[in-house]
Amino acid sequence: DVKVTQSSRYLVKRTGEKVFLECVQDMDHENMFWYRQDPGLGLRLIYFSYDVKMKEKGDIPEGYSVSREKKERFSLILESASTNQTSMYLCASRDKQGLRQPQHFGDGTRLSIL
Amino acid sequence: SQQGEEDPQALSIQEGENATMNCSYKTSINNLQWYRQNSGRGLVHLILIRSNEREKHSGRLRVTLDTSKKSSSLLITASRAADTASYFCATGATGGFKTIFGAGTRLFVKA
Repeated sequence: DVKVTQSSRYLVKRTGEKVFLECVQDMDHENMFWYRQDPGLGLRLIYFSYDVKMKEKGDIPEGYSVSREKKERFSLILESASTNQTSMYLCASRDKQGLRQPQHFGDGTRLSIL
Repeated sequence: SQQGEEDPQALSIQEGENATMNCSYKTSINNLQWYRQNSGRGLVHLILIRSNEREKHSGRLRVTLDTSKKSSSLLITASRAADTASYFCATGATGGFKTIFGAGTRLFVKA
């Protein structure tokens, strides 16, 4: 089974801090994604990466950046955390065959910015 | 705007009953997927139906797709308390690479 591991289940940070969320997958998937999930809004794509060192902006990239130095690891960075970034963050991976393949999700990081 | 929108937003049924959730979308799709999310956990893929398919089964799950109406339904038969979760439809648009998720239906199955 594919395993996607997010480094923290719960995280509390302060406004203005630089925050790193880490995600690791063990299935050699090319594609990796970062979403945020808010009540009533579903999942919104922040960034995705289709290969090492490759990244594309999703629907809500403002205030975030990403890093993919190794195939198995995709990091989400909040450059200067703000209270409106309090949310559930979900990482996912997918095989290179793209849209016809399912995404595999981690258990999420519930991030609170105080 | 969201590609997939589920209906109803919430559903409460008794164990043993069937649960039906609907999804509508706006543009041409390559496929449509259904995911499940238990409280506080990530999403788990349930089933994928391609745009040239009309119906698909997997265990107690039955998915239909009507591309002329841009809609899909997920039927869970003989529901169990363990089916309590949120269910999301997700669409892959033709010619795109993103999967777009709806806001989900919260299903509560009473024992």
